[in-house]
Amino acid sequence: EIVLTQSPGTLSLSVGEIATLSCRASQSVSSSYIGWYQQKPGQAPRLLIYGASSRATGIPDRFSGSGSGTDFALTIGRLEPEDFAVYYCQHYGSSPLTFGGGTRVEVK
Amino acid sequence: QLQLQESGPGLVKPSETLSLTCTVSGASISSRTYFWGWIRQPPGKGLEWIGSVYFSGSGSGYYNPSLKSRVTMSVDTSKNQFSLRLTSLTAADTAVYYCARNPSTSWEGWYFDLWGRGTLVTVSS
Repeated sequence: EIVLTQSPGTLSLSVGEIATLSCRASQSVSSSYIGWYQQKPGQAPRLLIYGASSRATGIPDRFSGSGSGTDFALTIGRLEPEDFAVYYCQHYGSSPLTFGGGTRVEVK
Repeated sequence: QLQLQESGPGLVKPSETLSLTCTVSGASISSRTYFWGWIRQPPGKGLEWIGSVYFSGSGSGYYNPSLKSRVTMSVDTSKNQFSLRLTSLTAADTAVYYCARNPSTSWEGWYFDLWGRGTLVTVSS
């Protein structure tokens, strides 16, 4: 099983700042099969990124993903008020599918 | 517009069996392109994949090994629904249960591109 560790646990930032979230895998992820999700209170997760760097349909271009092997990142350029939420990474190259523990992006 | 909607009991007693259904609208569950999955989230905690199933008659699928002994998933193409059955419930199974779509039958598409709103299941006597 691939264990995903997300850091930091909480990121305190202001509107307009850049957010960089990390997701580290316990072993190399084949073909960069990493996804990123955004979850707001009381809502289902929303797919942002798949294949480590491909944006899902309708996702603004201020969201970008990068990385390969065991180290992946989600960058949110110029935070908007609606971007404050919890973000999860997910591995999907093999079973079991696993999620990281999440990073909360909060208003500073 | 494709939508997924979970339904089932909100309260289940310990040791009993949970049965949840996900109704798919706006698309056919019999599409050869997709798998259909269940994910859960205990209150205030992270996400856990339960399993994903294909529409075929046998409901072939993949399950999380940590839950496999207690999980059964199936597909009802006549109702455009898929279901989750989880046995021997304990308080640790209290969670919001989501149904979602895997947009491919190969590993390259085993992220979740569409989600239901989720349903809270509480295990308590």
